[in-house]
Amino acid sequence: GAGVSQSPSNKVTEKGKDVELRCDPISGHTALYWYRQSLGQGLEFLIYFQGNSAPDKSGLPSDRFSAERTGGSVSTLTIQRTQQEDSAVYLCASSLVKVRGDTEAFFGQGTRLTVV
Amino acid sequence: ILNVEQSPQSLHVQEGDSTNFTCSFPSSNFYALHWYRWETAKSPEALFVMTLNGDEKKKGRISATLNTKEGYSYLYIKGSQPEDSATYLCAFSTGGFKTIFGAGTRLFVKA
Repeated sequence: GAGVSQSPSNKVTEKGKDVELRCDPISGHTALYWYRQSLGQGLEFLIYFQGNSAPDKSGLPSDRFSAERTGGSVSTLTIQRTQQEDSAVYLCASSLVKVRGDTEAFFGQGTRLTVV
Repeated sequence: ILNVEQSPQSLHVQEGDSTNFTCSFPSSNFYALHWYRWETAKSPEALFVMTLNGDEKKKGRISATLNTKEGYSYLYIKGSQPEDSATYLCAFSTGGFKTIFGAGTRLFVKA
């Protein structure tokens, strides 16, 4: 596709269930990021992939969160045993080359996760 | 801890008004400052990236300035239109992949 695609766009889940969020980056973009925005907060960095490798996982808020990327393309963010504080908009972004601080990132529309 | 502050949190203006808002960031280890516009139900869209002290960027009615010595950037919108209604995010980078975002300024432009 032409842009970064995320699915689902909305997800309502019960507390304690696992959820999987998917990101399809722009074709050829080697760098991929996950962020989340909780109500009233800025975008919080979660994890970054360069190809299939994640050099920095320090942003993942707990061990219930994991992410993988396969084939240097699609990425999935998995949240196990969801809690209400996990409710947020989860955004994925990709960029063309190994990122520097001035590289433009292209964002998806996000997945709005609501844990009830 | 790197912190990016944006003010005001929200802003209501009339169509035709000019407006501006602020992004404050750490003045040490500066590499780049980004501005994004995020409309409801859409993806955040890059507006500007600035790297040099004194940089000024312009895109149509929107412009931005950068002061890296004192750690702030202003975003200006001239003659606001309803379609400018969005959340404006700034993001600070020390280099590398980790970009720190502010909470955004939510702009409402009333026709």
